[in-house]
Parts: sequence; structure tokens; C-alpha cells
Amino acid sequence: KAGVTQTPRYLIKTRGQQVTLSCSPISGHRSVSWYQQTPGQGLQFLFEYFSETQRNKGNFPGRFSGRQFSNSRSEMNVSTLELGDSALYLCASSPNGVYNEQFFGPGTRLTVL
Amino acid sequence: AQKVTQAQTEISVVEKEDVTLDCVYETRDTTYYLFWYKQPPSGELVFLIRRNSFDEQNEISGRYSWNFQKSTSSFNFTITASQVVDSAVYFCALSEGVTGAQKLVFGQGTRLTINP
Repeated sequence: KAGVTQTPRYLIKTRGQQVTLSCSPISGHRSVSWYQQTPGQGLQFLFEYFSETQRNKGNFPGRFSGRQFSNSRSEMNVSTLELGDSALYLCASSPNGVYNEQFFGPGTRLTVL
Repeated sequence: AQKVTQAQTEISVVEKEDVTLDCVYETRDTTYYLFWYKQPPSGELVFLIRRNSFDEQNEISGRYSWNFQKSTSSFNFTITASQVVDSAVYFCALSEGVTGAQKLVFGQGTRLTINP
């Protein structure tokens, strides 16, 4: 089975721009979660989608949003980028129930200049 | 609020030594899961183990073992006879409650360096 894939792998944007990151989960997985990893704050939960519905949300401003499509693929969007948004954005998928282990993708490295 | 503490920021040992990574968690829930993940230099988080709050049995998988003690809210990870390939950042994580089940709260991570 193919693992979780994320595109693009690297991205450079300037302040004020917006960005969309994409995640394709493992085939058959219906839950997709997003995490932000920075040296200062570590790994922080952004949100989780299950069957096209946001099921959980972390403590991030409304500039961070996401969605999930009927094929379970997910996108996250960050509008009005700030320097502090520079981070590794990780996507994880899990089968369908609760408490499943999550399988992570390689991440998208976003740099905001 | 849930919290995970990995007090050891960095550990450096010589190959073949045993090493234990500490993890202490805080939660008010009686139902929760604990996880360990490994993050090699490539950046991708690799799942190692999941343990639920009702199962305090220790687990061994090859050179890896985990000790879960609810009395001290700890879930420690031991690598026996460490190898250079074990060098990575290791994260302990917690998820609790039905509604938050897919939300992982991570510790700050422990950077483990195995020197040849």
C-alpha cells in the first residue's frame, strides 16, 4: 500500500500571500489530520477531517482552514501568511474509528519570507 | 488539560548501550491512548507503538520495550543494544476522549544520537 503523500514538498511564499497544501491519505483511510511543527512550539494539532467533516480543531487562528473531499484527500489553506507560519506541515491518516494510530506523510516545508 | 512532558531534550550514547527515553503525561480522562513516534532526519514521523489506558502490560518488540505505569503517569521507552540507525527524534504523544481521539498532543521530543 502506498503511504501518505503530501504535495508540494517545499514551498516558499512571501508575507500576505496564501497557500494551499495537499494530502492524499493511505487508500481506505477516512480520517486525515494536520499538524504544524516548528522548533519553538513543537508539534501542534491543527484539525482533523473525517468523511468530509471537520471533527476536531486545534487552537489556530481562522487563517488556517481545511477541507476533505469525497475520496478522502485533504487540503489545508493558510491565508495572509505571516513569518511565524514557516513550519513543517504534516498530514496523517488513519482508518476510520477512534484511537487508531496515525500514519504520517513526509510533510510540506513552508518558508514565509 | 492534557500535557506530555519529555524532560530529556537530548541524549547521546555510544552504540550498543541501552538507553531509556522518559515520558510523563497529564490527563483528566480515564480513557486515553499513548503513542511513541520516531522522526528520522528525513522528517516523516514513524509510528512505533500505541497503548490504551486499560492495558498496563509492558511490551517488547525486538530491541524496543515500553514500560507503562499509570501510578506515575509515565510511558517510558527503552532501546536495548542501541544502533546508529536508532538516531532520531522520538516523540511521546497522548490522545484522550472520544471527541478528541484523533487529536494527538505531543511532547517536545527527545533527540537521540547514537555514536559509533
